[in-house]
Amino acid sequence: NAGVTQTPKFQVLKTGQSMTLQCAQDMNHNSMYWYQQDPGMGLRLIYYSASEGTTDKGEVPNGYNVSRLNKREFSLRLESAAPSQTSVYFCASTGGPGGELFFGEGSRLTVL
Amino acid sequence: EDQVTQSPEALRLQEGESSSLNCSYTVSGLRGLFWYRQDPGKGPEFLFTLYSAGEEKEKERLKATLTKKESFLHITAPKPEDSATYLCAVPNQAGTALIFGKGTTLSVSS
Repeated sequence: NAGVTQTPKFQVLKTGQSMTLQCAQDMNHNSMYWYQQDPGMGLRLIYYSASEGTTDKGEVPNGYNVSRLNKREFSLRLESAAPSQTSVYFCASTGGPGGELFFGEGSRLTVL
Repeated sequence: EDQVTQSPEALRLQEGESSSLNCSYTVSGLRGLFWYRQDPGKGPEFLFTLYSAGEEKEKERLKATLTKKESFLHITAPKPEDSATYLCAVPNQAGTALIFGKGTTLSVSS
């Protein structure tokens, strides 16, 4: 079982460049999430999608956009990357509110 | 504001030396407390969910307990392979997402 798959695993960008992080889950989950993890800061929620067709802001949404392409896929876009967005990004999914989260392996982004 | 605080930030143990990790929370109307394990370079992996004060769950050398204000993750006779960062999380007030603590990094040496 693949679970939650994120691409790319590693990416280096220059300031001002744009890119999209892709996430797909094969567990037929309704809800999907993007978290950011920095040393000493823990996991912070960027955006989430409670169900197909809906998206909502989390704790740190500035500088990001998301698209819930279908039930399986939830992408995170950086329109104009900044060095402050250097981080590890995790996608997660769950079957419903209160359920355990299943995480991908992470996407490690460096912005120069 | 919903908050989750974990202590200590880091813990070094000798193999076989039992200890506990703490997770305190301030969210009202708790709808579950989650424990995850995260290995370096990997995503968090689910361990336990606790729903009510007094509840306990065990998995190998780990036992999680819950009170009205905090949860403990007890590690009995740890082995080097238990070395990881342990995260706890609670649902936010709206129940739409999990709020994570900053984690406790456990190192077990042989």
